[in-house]
This record gives sequence, C-alpha cells and structure tokens, in this order.
Amino acid sequence: EAGVTQFPSHSVIEKGQTVTLRCDPISGHDNLYWYRRVMGKEIKFLLHFVKESKQDESGMPNNRFLAERTGGTYSTLKVQPAELEDSGVYFCASSQGRGDNYEQYFGPGTRLTVT
Amino acid sequence: GNSVTQMEGPVTLSEEAFLTINCTYTATGYPSLFWYVQYPGEGLQLLLKATKADDKGSNKGFEATYRKETTSFHLEKGSVQVSDSAVYFCALSDRRGATNKLIFGTGTLLAVQP
Repeated sequence: EAGVTQFPSHSVIEKGQTVTLRCDPISGHDNLYWYRRVMGKEIKFLLHFVKESKQDESGMPNNRFLAERTGGTYSTLKVQPAELEDSGVYFCASSQGRGDNYEQYFGPGTRLTVT
Repeated sequence: GNSVTQMEGPVTLSEEAFLTINCTYTATGYPSLFWYVQYPGEGLQLLLKATKADDKGSNKGFEATYRKETTSFHLEKGSVQVSDSAVYFCALSDRRGATNKLIFGTGTLLAVQP
C-alpha cells in the first residue's frame, strides 16, 4: 500500500511568487491534515479536511494560504503571494478516522524556500 | 493553551549509550501522548504512544511512560544504535473540537556515533 506522497519535495521561489503544494493521502483515508515546521521550530497544525470539507482551518496563518481538496482525494495548498516567513517544511498526514485510535500517517514533506 | 516542551538538541551519544529525551506538556484534560521519529529523508513515523496516565508506550527498544503528576512523557532507550540517529518529536492530541490535531514539540536531533 502506498503511503502519503507529497510533491514537490523541494521548492525554491522568490518573494511574491505563487507556489502550490500537493498531497496524495493513503487511499481510503477521509481525514487529511496539513502541518508545517518553520526554521527548526515546532511542527504546527494548519488545517484538517474530512473528505472535501474543511473541518478545522484554525492554524492557517493568513489569507495568503488556500487549501483545497476537490473530490475528497488529493489536496493542494497554495501560497500566494509567498513571503520570506513562509519558508519551512510542509507536512501532510492522513488517517482513516478521527480519534487517538487512528494513526496519522505523514508524508515526507515539501521543503519550501522563499528568497 | 495546549503545548509541548521538549529538550533541545542536538544530543550526541556513542553507540550503546543510554538515551533520555525529556518531554513535558501542558493540556486541558487528559490527552494522548506520542513520540514521532523522522529519519533522514523520510516523513514522520509514529514511534510509540500512551493514551492514559501510567500507560507505558514501547517500540523498537524505546519506552515512554505517561506521568500525569509531572505532566511528562520522557523517551528512553537503554542502548542506542547508529540507526537510531533521527529527529524525535514529542506530541499530544488536542481533543478540543472535532479535529484531533496533533500539537508537537520542537524536535530533538539525536546523533549516534559508532
């Protein structure tokens, strides 16, 4: 069974440009999470989808970030326009259900560098 | 709010040394506690978890005990190997609301030398 995949693995863009990150969850996992780790700090929650619906987007830093999950399969996270402080590693995770009995499986992350 | 504090790294040990990585938490209620590990070039993997006070999670020789009285979940291993070199993250599950999101510490880099 394929794990969570993320694309690209690394992206370098200039301030003001747009970047779109993609996450493909494990097949059949309705729950999809986005997290990010900025400059070696803690990994912070961004948002949570259940199928195509946003369950919780309380961690989204501002309106330059837009996440979608059309059809309830893969998800995209767009940053427009990118700022220097957006640099970091963006992780996606998926789980079959909610609750502590359902493990969140993480992808390898996308390293975003804004110059 | 809920938070996790873990010891800063890097931690450098010789092979077969004893490992402790400290983790304390602040939370409303009684969250589940987790240790995740990130090996070089890979995503985070769940290493172990504990869902209630006094539970001990264990996996691959690693152990951690959920201590409510000290709000701690320290990670230990009796004899580390070079292959244990990785970044270790302590986390708790935030059960407020319907999301069950994870709240992580800053991560501790462990380097084991042969």
